[in-house]
Amino acid sequence: AQTVTQSQPEMSVQEAETVTLSCTYDTSENNYYLFWYKQPPSRQMILVIRQEAYKQQNATENRFSVNFQKAAKSFSLKISDSQLGDTAMYFCAFMKHSGGGADGLTFGKGTHLIIQP
Amino acid sequence: SQTIHQWPATLVQPVGSPLSLECTVEGTSNPNLYWYRQAAGRGLQLLFYSVGIGQISSEVPQNLSASRPQDRQFILSSKKLLLSDSGFYLCAWCTGYSPLHFGNGTRLTVT
Repeated sequence: AQTVTQSQPEMSVQEAETVTLSCTYDTSENNYYLFWYKQPPSRQMILVIRQEAYKQQNATENRFSVNFQKAAKSFSLKISDSQLGDTAMYFCAFMKHSGGGADGLTFGKGTHLIIQP
Repeated sequence: SQTIHQWPATLVQPVGSPLSLECTVEGTSNPNLYWYRQAAGRGLQLLFYSVGIGQISSEVPQNLSASRPQDRQFILSSKKLLLSDSGFYLCAWCTGYSPLHFGNGTRLTVT
């Protein structure tokens, strides 16, 4: 079974600063996918970014980028030029490749990110 | 485009009453479907998933059940609710290795 650990229950930064959220995972799989989801106060789950484990290049989406370290089983999310709208719970998630992705995502417990004006 | 509908948005039910939450997906065929529960201040726990009509896999023993009567319909049920069933329930879908797409969730309070 896979486990996902987010060691920072809550973080707070000033607007426009850069912040990094940590995520580690444990798996015996070699092929898998990693995701970061954002859950604002509305509780809608919004995909932020996705990384395929077979790709060495780190994924980026505008102000969001990841630092994927496969050997260390680490998958951190960096948010640059943080904005008030980035305030949300952020969840790291894992999907194994075997089984066709059918058994869904394993989530960490989340990091509550607060952007201060 | 694909959309997912989940209802109701909010539900307050007494202990011992039945439950039925419904989720439907539009714009795709044969999706994988999921029910997750999110307890207060915690992550998402996978309850059930389905890869096809009538095929249900349960991840944790519990008071709930799921059914998939049609290709794009997923129902979460209980015959008798417990206080511990309170939480935020999310339905989601995906195809293959695509990211999961979530509904807006149901906030269930059992009193």
